[in-house]
Amino acid sequence: DIVMTQSPLSLPVTPGEPASISCRSSQSLLHSAGYNCLNWYLQKPGQSPQLLIYLGSHRASGVPDRFRASGSGTDFTLEIRRVEAGDVGVYYCMQTLHTPLAFGPGTKVEIK
Amino acid sequence: EVQLVNSGGGLVQPGGSLRLSCAASGFTFSNYWMSWVRQAPGKGLEWVANIKQDGSEGHYLDSVKGRFTISRDNAENSLFLQMRSLRAEDTAVYYCARGQAVLAVSAIDYFDNWGQGTLVTVSS
Repeated sequence: DIVMTQSPLSLPVTPGEPASISCRSSQSLLHSAGYNCLNWYLQKPGQSPQLLIYLGSHRASGVPDRFRASGSGTDFTLEIRRVEAGDVGVYYCMQTLHTPLAFGPGTKVEIK
Repeated sequence: EVQLVNSGGGLVQPGGSLRLSCAASGFTFSNYWMSWVRQAPGKGLEWVANIKQDGSEGHYLDSVKGRFTISRDNAENSLFLQMRSLRAEDTAVYYCARGQAVLAVSAIDYFDNWGQGTLVTVSS
């Protein structure tokens, strides 16, 4: 089974400052068709998860361009250029290359 | 607008059964793989099961195999999760999620829409 890890697990941030979350997988997530099966979700307090980034680096509809994701294979990064108060919550990476589909443990982003 | 509405959760004793439902609207339900994802209280997200568009194929987390059954009724635009032999560790909010695929032959590449979740509590 593919194991997903994230760091840090807790990230206090200052509004207006950048933030970065790392996600690593135990196996390459590069599909034979050339795309990475790695997605990012944000779960705001009391809400269902929402899709932020799909296939490694594609912003979902309505996601501001302050959010940028990169990486390939086993190492991925989500960056928030200027954190806003509404960005707080838990960020999860998730692999969909093989079942069982797997999420990272989550990174809790909170305002300092 | 895509909508996924979860229902069916509740309190059940260990060893009991429960059937969760997910009512879909706003899209052609029969065109999509669907999944169940759960979240234990205060914990992270855990994928539970997938089902193919026509219901002919399903995949499960090892810890629920033989106890949970995912199914769908495309005529009623509904997804189900039949849960049997429930354990305390199955206590969680259960979400249904719609799968998107890049290739026609792919299963799920990402989840783009989620239900609001339904809480299942397994306790005596």
